[in-house]
Amino acid sequence: ETGVTQTPRHLVMGMTNKKSLKCEQHLGHNAMYWYKQSAKKPLELMFVYSLEERVENNSVPSRFSPECPNSSHLFLHLHTLQPEDSALYLCASSQDHRVGQPQHFGDGTRLSIL
Amino acid sequence: SQKIEQNSEALNIQEGKTATLTCNYTNYSPAYLQWYRQDPGRGPVFLLLIRENEKEKRKERLKVTFDTTLKQSLFHITASQPADSATYLCALPMEYGNKLVFGAGTILRVKS
Repeated sequence: ETGVTQTPRHLVMGMTNKKSLKCEQHLGHNAMYWYKQSAKKPLELMFVYSLEERVENNSVPSRFSPECPNSSHLFLHLHTLQPEDSALYLCASSQDHRVGQPQHFGDGTRLSIL
Repeated sequence: SQKIEQNSEALNIQEGKTATLTCNYTNYSPAYLQWYRQDPGRGPVFLLLIRENEKEKRKERLKVTFDTTLKQSLFHITASQPADSATYLCALPMEYGNKLVFGAGTILRVKS
């Protein structure tokens, strides 16, 4: 499915670097999400945006900073990350942020912190 | 808080058989439950949603049941094929707020 596109697909960075993950959805949805998926653990919701406004911030460390400039684009700015932040970061979108709507996921960015 | 339990061990079955995956939850009964498929290196793909007032939902070879008394959903794939091999996730809403909570998933391997 190409409705939600994430770049880059893979990212290796040092703990002092600053990088950004990008997500773009072509589905006309109003809600976008960031999830973290670590090996053999459930998806962890990080942030929810509805019509460019953040509606959920799930106690995520400040070294992760989301940005939603419009309803089609979502960024996750990273700085001073820790080794335990290595994971698959997934972006998703849905028609709106009310629960019950199916979520459409991108294929994620595989992040490795050295 | 709500806990979701899916079989942590992989399910290995022979091609052509019916695969049955289990999703149990522990606390309040959700208004609906969703099932997703995830292939290695890919994001989850939505498969089916079943509401609390629906006992059963079907889509092609897929069938989902929802038993609010047992606090359980079963996901069936009939006439399974090697291409059905993937991790299957169940997800349901938290009691409060607009959050979807996912299970850790069950790996299904269909052998030819």
